[in-house]
Amino acid sequence: QVQLVESGGGVVQPGRSLRLSCAASGFTLSNYGMHWVRQAPGKGLEWVAVLSYDGTNKYYADSVKGRFTISRDNSKNTLYLQMNSLRAEDTAVYFCTKDLRDYWGQGTLVTVSS
Amino acid sequence: QSVLTQPPSASGTPGQRVTISCSGGSSNIGITDVNWYQQLPGTAPKLLIYSSNQRPSGVPDRFSGSKSGTSASLAISGLQSEDEADYYCAAWDDSLKEVLFGGGTKLTVL
Repeated sequence: QVQLVESGGGVVQPGRSLRLSCAASGFTLSNYGMHWVRQAPGKGLEWVAVLSYDGTNKYYADSVKGRFTISRDNSKNTLYLQMNSLRAEDTAVYFCTKDLRDYWGQGTLVTVSS
Repeated sequence: QSVLTQPPSASGTPGQRVTISCSGGSSNIGITDVNWYQQLPGTAPKLLIYSSNQRPSGVPDRFSGSKSGTSASLAISGLQSEDEADYYCAAWDDSLKEVLFGGGTKLTVL
């Protein structure tokens, strides 16, 4: 069955980097648009980035543009989010989702703190 | 501040019908489809409505969506205690080239 499993979260100091992974199973990741969505503690959902199904288009929220990069490895059927120059306001649970529809991962917590 | 505007809270008694609104603009809801999600505490969002008014399989027909102009609505009929959750709308904005989420509506079943 379809499953998305995020990993790579943790505690990181401001200004440092972190890479999140989203391992997909039950479907071919490269056939679908894939998104990252985050949720700060006690706050609402915030869209972060999308990678189009064919890999040609990447779009980012203004809040992460120039700092975050979305990518995928087709051979591993895995989506990534490279996060650089992290800030305290990037602290959130990060979810990957297939097409922003009925399949979401369980989320991975990123805490940016000194 | 979300560009899609939702009321922060809504409430109803069991069996009642409640609606949650989502107001946007001409570059998002006005020209694109809306998704609605339900989120229980500590869990990932669950898709309730896609393409403004379509229900995924497994979602009860008590949930329905509609869109008119630059606004969308989620209606829940026959309210049940397990419907108590946060609800979010989302739409692509073709000017910003971003997905926008509403700020969320906390539904309380009295």
